[in-house]
Formats: sequence, C-alpha cells, structure tokens
Amino acid sequence: GQQVMQIPQYQHVQEGEDFTTYCNSSTTLSNIQWYKQRPGGHPVFLIQLVKSGEVKKQKRLTFQFGEAKKNSSLHITATQTTDVGTYFCAAGTSYGKLTFGQGTILTVHP
Amino acid sequence: DGGITQSPKYLFRKEGQNVTLSCEQNLNHDAMYWYRQDPGQGLRLIYYSQIVNDFQKGDIAEGYSVSREKKESFPLTVTSAQKNPTAFYLCASSAGQGAYEQYFGPGTRLTVT
Repeated sequence: GQQVMQIPQYQHVQEGEDFTTYCNSSTTLSNIQWYKQRPGGHPVFLIQLVKSGEVKKQKRLTFQFGEAKKNSSLHITATQTTDVGTYFCAAGTSYGKLTFGQGTILTVHP
Repeated sequence: DGGITQSPKYLFRKEGQNVTLSCEQNLNHDAMYWYRQDPGQGLRLIYYSQIVNDFQKGDIAEGYSVSREKKESFPLTVTSAQKNPTAFYLCASSAGQGAYEQYFGPGTRLTVT
C-alpha cells in the first residue's frame, strides 16, 4: 500500500527558533493534509494541499507541496510553547482514505 | 454542539475478552474511520465506511470488526484474536469520499492485561 515517510521523528527547539517537518512519498499524491495533535489530545486538521507547487500560509505556519506532488513540508517560524505537539502529514486518495506519516514530535523549550 | 464522541475515554479489559468501542457523530458525515495509534507509529487505519451498511478493511483489520447500521454510529469491536490490543483508538469522520478533512473524536485508550 501507499507509504508516507515523515522526518524527523523528534525535534527539540528553543522558543523563537524555526521548525520544519518533511513528508515524502515514492508515488505521486493526489493531495496531502496536515494535522496537529496536542499532547493527550486528538489530531486536528490544519490544511490541505492539492496543486503541484502549492504554498499556503497560516500565520507563522507555511505549508508546501512539491512540484512533483511527492513531498510536502510544514515550516513554523519563531516557535512558541503553544506549538508543542505532534505534526502529521496524511496522503489522500481520491476515495477519501488517508495514509498518515509517523509524525514529528515537537518540543519547545521556553 | 456538533462533533464526534467516543466512549469511554479509558477502558480496561482482561485478555481473551471482546470489547466494543463506541463512536457517534452528529456532523451528518457519510464517511467514518477507525485508527489505531501506537507510540512512534502514527495513525494506522483499521476500518472505514463510506456509507451506511458498507465498510472496508484498512491496513490492520485483523482481529477487529465493525458495523455501520446507522449513519451516526460506527462501533469497533476488538476481538480476542487481536494479538496486541492495547493502544489508543481514534474514530474520525469526513463529509464524504474524496479529499475531505477528517474530524477526530477524543479517542479511547484501551488497556488489555
């Protein structure tokens, strides 16, 4: 089945530093979604990317979809303690099924 | 207040017992999903249903069963055949087939001893 690799598995940053997580697939993706899961919580949808080369921004978060639609990234500028959690990418299919990456656990030291 | 509810939040069972996890949504969503989350492994799809009275196996369906008799409900049974049932189980729903965001419930943490 479809596999999505996400790196790094862990990232520790000082508050104010930037953070990036990467998602890679060996096959072309129809779309990619990003979710955030706070410690002890459940995943919450952040954004969906559909078009080749698409870039979307949400305040300090920047999401990119690669030109070949095989990779994606999430970049957080100037992290805050509220950014703590696990960030997942999820590759979508045309019939609604999602394949999740392993997630990147972000810790932010004040 | 629209959303997905899962109950209970914590569940403890003895090995060899079947257990059913509840998932209810009032979002009028057609599609519903069950995931299992283990540390360091992300979310793995157990079963999904795109319409009432129909469901498909996901990537790790062995030892699990589901039903979808009502649009609002998608219960998951963890059977005694599941070799490592202790995990965090998440239910989700989406508006339908295609590229829709998924809404997750709060999860049930199942511990089997």
